[in-house]
Amino acid sequence: SQQGEEDPQALSIQEGENATMNCSYKTSINNLQWYRQNSGRGLVHLILIRSNEREKHSGRLRVTLDTSKKSSSLLITASRAADTASYFCATGASGGYQKVTFGTGTKLQVIP
Amino acid sequence: KAGVTQTPRYLIKTRGQQVTLSCSPISGHRSVSWYQQTPGQGLQFLFEYFSETQRNKGNFPGRFSGRQFSNSRSEMNVSTLELGDSALYLCASSLDMAREAFFGQGTRLTVV
Repeated sequence: SQQGEEDPQALSIQEGENATMNCSYKTSINNLQWYRQNSGRGLVHLILIRSNEREKHSGRLRVTLDTSKKSSSLLITASRAADTASYFCATGASGGYQKVTFGTGTKLQVIP
Repeated sequence: KAGVTQTPRYLIKTRGQQVTLSCSPISGHRSVSWYQQTPGQGLQFLFEYFSETQRNKGNFPGRFSGRQFSNSRSEMNVSTLELGDSALYLCASSLDMAREAFFGQGTRLTVV
């Protein structure tokens, strides 16, 4: 079963708008990662946030992590048509070994 | 630095056959993970190898197996192929098991 659940499942916005995606997970984590996948291709790593971090920025991306609520959000500001893709959150488990477990993904469409 | 390389990119096999997929991680990365992606099940974790040892295993039947060589290259094998094994198989490598994972473009397997 999936550890992470992204919300919404699909999102359609106009170019220039901001896109927010949420991820909830079930067990304690070591870190949480966000990935992007263009149709039928490999995943591109976007950002990793560790369990002791609350917020992280990378370019137009802003990720927050709330371990008390077991949730994370990914904000893409000033979206572009090239941002159209599926976005996944992945949790790295606490403990000795890392097992990255993916959520179901949010399909983002940015309309030019 | 070259990225994660998966071969072959596309494969068509017949039910009952077996298949071997290959993954060359980023130079210096010792952790390799495998995932199966299907439209119905999303991204499912298969297994993870670190220093030639399987550290984690997902919930897949014994027909799915893998190994890692001393140069960190990894192979996964699926025996007695079923139609439901048709999927995109993704390999990811990371420096160690607590770091972000970098994905290859995947091998698209079609079982007919």
